[in-house]
Amino acid sequence: AQKVTQAQTEISVVEKEDVTLDCVYETRDTTYYLFWYKQPPSGELVFLIRRNSFDEQNEISGRYSWNFQKSTSSFNFTITASQVVDSAVYFCALRTSGTYKYIFGTGTRLKVLA
Amino acid sequence: SQTIHQWPATLVQPVGSPLSLECTVEGTSNPNLYWYRQAAGRGLQLLFYSVGIGQISSEVPQNLSASRPQDRQFILSSKKLLLSDSGFYLCAWSVGGIFNEQFFGPGTRLTVL
Repeated sequence: AQKVTQAQTEISVVEKEDVTLDCVYETRDTTYYLFWYKQPPSGELVFLIRRNSFDEQNEISGRYSWNFQKSTSSFNFTITASQVVDSAVYFCALRTSGTYKYIFGTGTRLKVLA
Repeated sequence: SQTIHQWPATLVQPVGSPLSLECTVEGTSNPNLYWYRQAAGRGLQLLFYSVGIGQISSEVPQNLSASRPQDRQFILSSKKLLLSDSGFYLCAWSVGGIFNEQFFGPGTRLTVL
């Protein structure tokens, strides 16, 4: 069975602090994709990144970076020098071969305080 | 470029009334389409998905139904709303057949009184 766990329900940081959001996934498939989405207070989910199971290279995009480690089945998301605009709920998701469904974690609410 | 529309943005309905939420996608063909519900402060619950016209897969047995009358149109319906149907409804699409990301619509906030 496929599963995505985001153990951190809510995180509060002070602006300019670095913060890491954890994502642990479970699947027996060897081919799968992992995703991160941001849901700001407006409600619409915004796609941030996709990573396939054959590419363990970490990725950096501005203040955002992602650490994919198959050995620990984790796909963690780090925001460097957080800003108030980063306040949102962040979801990690998984999609495996043979299914059209995306499995979402329960989300982590990030509050960045000025 | 692709765009996804959802309407209405907000809806307040009495218990027992019918429901129809519409989602349309522009700029792509044969998308996979999805309906999710998000209760207040909670995660996403997949309700239905469709990989083609007239094809609907249901994830949660309940008083909701979905239809896909056209390639880029996805409709969520109910004959009689329950209080528990309140929530934030999100439509999403992904490129058909491959492992691409989903793109979400702006959502409909439904309150059943």
